[in-house]
Amino acid sequence: EVQLVESGGGVVQPGGSLRLSCEASGFTFEARTMHWVRQRPGKGLEWLSFISWSGGATEYADSVKGRFTISRDNTNNSLHLQMSSLRTEDTAFYYCAKGQDTTTWYGPLDSWGQGTLVTVSS
Amino acid sequence: EIVLTQSPGTLSLSPGERATLSCRASQSVRGNYLAWYQQKTGQTPRLLIYGASSRATGIPDRFSGSGSGTEFTLTISRLESEDFAVYYCQQYSNSPWTFGQGTKVEVK
Repeated sequence: EVQLVESGGGVVQPGGSLRLSCEASGFTFEARTMHWVRQRPGKGLEWLSFISWSGGATEYADSVKGRFTISRDNTNNSLHLQMSSLRTEDTAFYYCAKGQDTTTWYGPLDSWGQGTLVTVSS
Repeated sequence: EIVLTQSPGTLSLSPGERATLSCRASQSVRGNYLAWYQQKTGQTPRLLIYGASSRATGIPDRFSGSGSGTEFTLTISRLESEDFAVYYCQQYSNSPWTFGQGTKVEVK
């Protein structure tokens, strides 16, 4: 069974930093692209970031480019999101999600974690 | 960036009725790389449809997807009680991956 478990959320002041993690199990982690998606309370889904199988390629939404960094550790089956210069509008649930395909970067997200809440407030 | 616009914002229907949800893209979606997700209240999104028309594993056949280019549709042939939820389309043909704003299917 595929499991994705996020951690690292919490309350942080504007301008602060936070590092989210996602522990993966139940599938061959190194064979899947991974993503971060967020959802502000009561709002829709916003794609944030992608990382390729090896970690050699990454992509970001404009809203977080230059502030957030995605990374992965294929030895420990974990995905990370380093967030800095946080703003109040970054308050959201953050989900890690697994890419469906093994042969292309461009695939749908077929498994999602339960999410971790990040609250940016003074 | 490909902008996805979903309509209607809210769909009020009764169990047993047919639901038709629309997703329009600001430019053609390469390879029809268009997915639909269902999100129930308090739950995480679930992949329903990918490649515009392929059902994901375990998805009932009352869910179907169609369309190409810039116009896509999710159809639920006969609504069951567990289908009342928010539905999002997503394109994964280009970075940035983008989602539509969602359509809420509620009980009439």
